[in-house]
Amino acid sequence: KQEVTQIPAALSVPEGENLVLNCSFTDSAIYNLQWFRQDPGKGLTSLLLIQSSQREQTSGRLNASLDKSSGRSTLYIAASQPGDSATYLCAVSGNYGQNFVFGPGTRLSVLP
Amino acid sequence: DVKVTQSSRYLVKRTGEKVFLECVQDMDHENMFWYRQDPGLGLRLIYFSYDVKMKEKGDIPEGYSVSREKKERFSLILESASTNQTSMYLCASSSGQGHYNEQFFGPGTRLTVL
Repeated sequence: KQEVTQIPAALSVPEGENLVLNCSFTDSAIYNLQWFRQDPGKGLTSLLLIQSSQREQTSGRLNASLDKSSGRSTLYIAASQPGDSATYLCAVSGNYGQNFVFGPGTRLSVLP
Repeated sequence: DVKVTQSSRYLVKRTGEKVFLECVQDMDHENMFWYRQDPGLGLRLIYFSYDVKMKEKGDIPEGYSVSREKKERFSLILESASTNQTSMYLCASSSGQGHYNEQFFGPGTRLTVL
């Protein structure tokens, strides 16, 4: 059964720092990996999607990488801002592309 | 932009009531999902549907049922609400295998059962 973990569980950094969030999964037979952002009391917002055949995706200050063989993904946030404060979740979808397994999330606080 | 909407942001119900949570997506997605999210437990899949009138149990289907009569609409039903069903309920949709299968979420419904 697929399991997804995220390290660290919480992170607090001063504004302007570059930071890395980690996601690990136990079964490398994935269809894709998706990073989300969640603000308190809200739904999830899709940030980046990496297909299993891809190594990385970029959107603005965000860069996500995928190493399928080792079961790892990282989300890199450049020049962090207070508005980046949120919980970040990763999720992997199985080979049939239907079921998604989520990690527990990393709660990020960017201090002004 | 894909839009997933949920019928209510906040809902308060009494124990034993029948509760309907509605979800609508406007991108002709094949797959739709219902999750609940609780502190310390993360997102847990209740049910998903990969086609009209099709449904599959997720990890925690007990106490819930679903209905998908039209492609764009996926309903979650609590037959007899209980206090342990107080939670944030999130609906999502995705296009399915062969179309990147990116998942999009609605804003969530915070359900309180008294």
